[in-house]
Amino acid sequence: QVQLQESGPGLVKPSETLSLTCTVSGGSISSYYWSWVRQPPGKGLEWIGYIYSSSNTNYSPSLKSRVTMSIDTSESQFSLRLSFVTAADTAVYYCARRRRLAASGDAFDIWGQGTMVTVSS
Amino acid sequence: AIQMTQSPSSLSASVGDRVTITCRASQGIRNDLGWYQQKPGKAPKLLIYGASILQSGVPSRFSGSGSGTDFTLTISSLQPEDFATYYCLQDYNYPLTFGQGTKLEIK
Repeated sequence: QVQLQESGPGLVKPSETLSLTCTVSGGSISSYYWSWVRQPPGKGLEWIGYIYSSSNTNYSPSLKSRVTMSIDTSESQFSLRLSFVTAADTAVYYCARRRRLAASGDAFDIWGQGTMVTVSS
Repeated sequence: AIQMTQSPSSLSASVGDRVTITCRASQGIRNDLGWYQQKPGKAPKLLIYGASILQSGVPSRFSGSGSGTDFTLTISSLQPEDFATYYCLQDYNYPLTFGQGTKLEIK
């Protein structure tokens, strides 16, 4: 079955750029919406944005100025870059697949296990 | 952005209890709502989408209802494995927004 795996540095310095990659295995990366969701320690979930397999993107307005997402369909990977990070960006970062499950039902049906990123000098 | 307000924020219940969690949207979202379960250290898991459609493999004791601005997740008879945090998520428009979560604890 389809699996997602996040990878990237677990520690990033303030003002630098956080870079994460999500590898899709067991299925196609094409024709799906791929999202990043984060969760600060002890807090709730926050949607960061999505990238479609055509490279169309949509970012949360609260992060839009600092976020870039990209996709490499040949490698079955998509990536997140978050620039000028601060301690407030410390969180577990999840990648997830969103797809239409019914006529009026989109949902995140597959999630990666998550990767903890700490912003600290 | 649409705000999603869950209540209660936390809930203590016993095995076998019937539990209801509520999610209210700041504007109408038709039935574009999902419910997710998250256990400590784990990724969220989809339970319900389209407000009331049970995801494949999810036990039938879970059910969802609602449309417009008010939604509920009901667990008909709590099992030990149901103690977790539950989130609603609106996917009516962007940015997608989650509720703040409801932590379900053992009484």
